[in-house]
Amino acid sequence: NAGVTQTPKFQVLKTGQSMTLQCAQDMNHNSMYWYRQDPGMGLRLIYYSASEGTTDKGEVPNGYNVSRLNKREFSLRLESAAPSQTSVYFCATAVMGVPVGQPQHFGDGTRLSIL
Amino acid sequence: AQSVTQLGSHVSVSEGALVLLRCNYSSSVPPYLFWYVQYPNQGLQLLLKYTSAATLVKGINGFEAEFKKSETSFHLTKPSAHMSDAAEYFCAVSDSGNTGNQFYFGTGTSLTVIP
Repeated sequence: NAGVTQTPKFQVLKTGQSMTLQCAQDMNHNSMYWYRQDPGMGLRLIYYSASEGTTDKGEVPNGYNVSRLNKREFSLRLESAAPSQTSVYFCATAVMGVPVGQPQHFGDGTRLSIL
Repeated sequence: AQSVTQLGSHVSVSEGALVLLRCNYSSSVPPYLFWYVQYPNQGLQLLLKYTSAATLVKGINGFEAEFKKSETSFHLTKPSAHMSDAAEYFCAVSDSGNTGNQFYFGTGTSLTVIP
């Protein structure tokens, strides 16, 4: 009964390093999302995947790439980390289409610091 | 485009007092509206959702929200605050559809409960 699992939970990187944030879900949801949360700015969408095999940019995609590996997994990659990418990253999932109006389900977040 | 505005980034109430957190939405179509709660170092949890059924929606932990189309509002209330209600609260709107669900979040309201 895990729901949405994010790994790692914490990470410290040096500027210029790369890393991949992992997200896996066991709810059989079609859509998956990556957000970043910064103080006073709420949640900002980085990328999303409406269904397996598709990905689209959100509000703040620069500096990130994503892979929808299969229906369960959606990863977020930072190729060359910058201090401005210090944030808390959340993965979320949702049912697509019918029935409409279904909510998102969130993981517990990855706290990323870039020095 | 859809959007939500949360009035008041910080709200303080005394234990036992009424909790009122404000959310106004902007939507060109009938909206699907959500309230989420985020406790420290955790992900977002769904409190309640409105999907065009009853305008008064009851959620978990004694919270409820009323959809008022004439005021484009979806305010969250709880009659009597408890210390455990201290958290960050987010209002969100979605435009679910077959092309993928998009969710738009407010910037959040931090609730402090004073003993």
